[in-house]
Amino acid sequence: DGGITQSPKYLFRKEGQNVTLSCEQNLNHDAMYWYRQDPGQGLRLIYYSQIVNDFQKGDIAEGYSVSREKKESFPLTVTSAQKNPTAFYLCASSRPGQGREKLFFGSGTQLSVL
Amino acid sequence: QKEVEQDPGPLSVPEGAIVSLNCTYSNSAFQYFMWYRQYSRKGPELLMYTYSSGNKEDGRFTAQVDKSSKYISLFIRDSQPSDSATYLCATLYGGSQGNLIFGKGTKLSVKP
Repeated sequence: DGGITQSPKYLFRKEGQNVTLSCEQNLNHDAMYWYRQDPGQGLRLIYYSQIVNDFQKGDIAEGYSVSREKKESFPLTVTSAQKNPTAFYLCASSRPGQGREKLFFGSGTQLSVL
Repeated sequence: QKEVEQDPGPLSVPEGAIVSLNCTYSNSAFQYFMWYRQYSRKGPELLMYTYSSGNKEDGRFTAQVDKSSKYISLFIRDSQPSDSATYLCATLYGGSQGNLIFGKGTKLSVKP
């Protein structure tokens, strides 16, 4: 079955540590996105990539980094510069020829600070 | 003023009830209107998507957009316990790679 796989489901970060969240898709989608969801808040865009080896900052990119070396993969690194990293992180993709009006989401990663 | 306003609820209804979920938005440039359903600790799933004013129906779900009053609604007929989830409205402007704004979500509980 095609879909978006995010791992791990739960992740804990220690003070000063960088952690990487994995996002893999087998939908053959070109565009991929990372969103952050906090309780009682709407989803906020962190980074997005429309093609391999290219990505753009979203609304809240500070303290995060990404790479897009393969079409299928779009990992997100939460760096030590992100002072409030506890949130639910969602990876999404969209079909060729379509954009953000029809997003497909993964199951998310809950990141917490130890 | 927030760009997309959505009552967070929670909203609790008996099984079989008609549910009405609503959002208002402030920017008349919004072009696309979406409803996502999100089960607890899962990713959102696109339920309905529309580009224009009017109604769009899909099974028990009806999405309604009134651009003149900047109001979007989702109606669920014959609600089921499996409909218990958080419903997120979203709007998009500036083209399909433009600005996508999500509401905060309304938590719905359908009691058997």
